[in-house]
Amino acid sequence: RKEVEQDPGPFNVPEGATVAFNCTYSNSASQSFFWYRQDCRKEPKLLMSVYSSGNEDGRFTAQLNRASQYISLLIRDSKLSDSATYLCVVKMADRGSTLGRLYFGRGTQLTVWP
Amino acid sequence: NAGVTQTPKFRVLKTGQSMTLLCAQDMNHEYMYWYRQDPGMGLRLIHYSVGEGTTAKGEVPDGYNVSRLKKQNFLLGLESAAPSQTSVYFCASSYAGQLRGQYFGPGTRLTVT
Repeated sequence: RKEVEQDPGPFNVPEGATVAFNCTYSNSASQSFFWYRQDCRKEPKLLMSVYSSGNEDGRFTAQLNRASQYISLLIRDSKLSDSATYLCVVKMADRGSTLGRLYFGRGTQLTVWP
Repeated sequence: NAGVTQTPKFRVLKTGQSMTLLCAQDMNHEYMYWYRQDPGMGLRLIHYSVGEGTTAKGEVPDGYNVSRLKKQNFLLGLESAAPSQTSVYFCASSYAGQLRGQYFGPGTRLTVT
């Protein structure tokens, strides 16, 4: 089983729609959680951290369910500029090492159309 | 504040040639990383460093070497390039503990023919 799993999509939604992405992770002792955004042919960029109580940044809301080992990202009022691939990222202890490292999901592709 | 920069942006190599990719960061981050990204595979960690003079293997280290002689620089070397190393290479850096995530460079597109 892969450490971080995401539905690859693609999700195609009209402007103004609400869309949700889900992610599951394998290690219950995972320490930190993030959502990254990657535009076509560009580098991944941190979108937001995910906190246990859930957190919001403008139109974006992230939720964490530790019991189910599940993370979600909700985008409200979608814009054309939200079209990108969204990567779920989890910090877990590395095998054979005490150093936690980030594990990246393969990403969920979103296209917002006018 | 340039963040994370990578040199070169593009490169074409013939099988068996060698090259070095340079990554530099000006955020005084302790940790640095090299990833490769291939279609359908996501990001895979090649090597990483938790401080000047230290390096460690990641998920896919074979065929690559790294060095971190200065805190701000992390070099990735390909001694004898193979077509399987055709990929996009990203460098990243972070504070120790990675609690604020990682910051990525713009990437190097490498083609090995």
